[in-house]
Amino acid sequence: DARVTQTPRHKVTEMGQEVTMRCQPILGHNTVFWYRQTMMQGLELLAYFRNRAPLDDSGMPKDRFSAEMPDATLATLKIQPSEPRDSAVYFCASGLGSNQPQHFGDGTRLSIL
Amino acid sequence: AQSVTQPDIHITVSEGASLELRCNYSYGATPYLFWYVQSPGQGLQLLLKYFSGDTLVQGIKGFEAEFKRSQSSFNLRKPSVHWSDAAEYFCAVGAVFGGKLIFGQGTELSVKP
Repeated sequence: DARVTQTPRHKVTEMGQEVTMRCQPILGHNTVFWYRQTMMQGLELLAYFRNRAPLDDSGMPKDRFSAEMPDATLATLKIQPSEPRDSAVYFCASGLGSNQPQHFGDGTRLSIL
Repeated sequence: AQSVTQPDIHITVSEGASLELRCNYSYGATPYLFWYVQSPGQGLQLLLKYFSGDTLVQGIKGFEAEFKRSQSSFNLRKPSVHWSDAAEYFCAVGAVFGGKLIFGQGTELSVKP
């Protein structure tokens, strides 16, 4: 079965460091989503892309977060500088349209000390 | 405002008993509706979806859900729960004409022997 691949699976780093999370969407999917999951806030949409173009990044703190799709096989989410409150599980999902079923990766568990 | 409500944060059922997880939505347009399941340490997996047509939809793992427009509900059911069904379940709604999915806060299911 085709899968969304996220790396790294786990990341522990100190406050102030840059963090880069990567996602390989399922081949042929034209829509990519980034979510953040925490106990307090649940599942939050940070940003999503269609055909590599950003459509909505209103859920993302603009001053420290950035999301890009350098090509159709790679999406990145960067945090610079990182803060303890950024500790969460970050999920990437891909699909064939923004209202079609989304296929999720297994997430990156991020801990900022 | 668009929203999805899962009234039950946590439900415990006995193995072999029937299950119903509630989902209510508020959406201005004709919705697409989804149920996802998340096992610990993993991403969300699609259980079933409703786009149109028959309001009773069948999904994987023996789950089904019924769309009731008059009640703005899309409850998930299973006639006989297995211990492996213990997980967190998310209801989500999207617009027919595009846009992001909105997820509920999730319902954690525990299964007792």
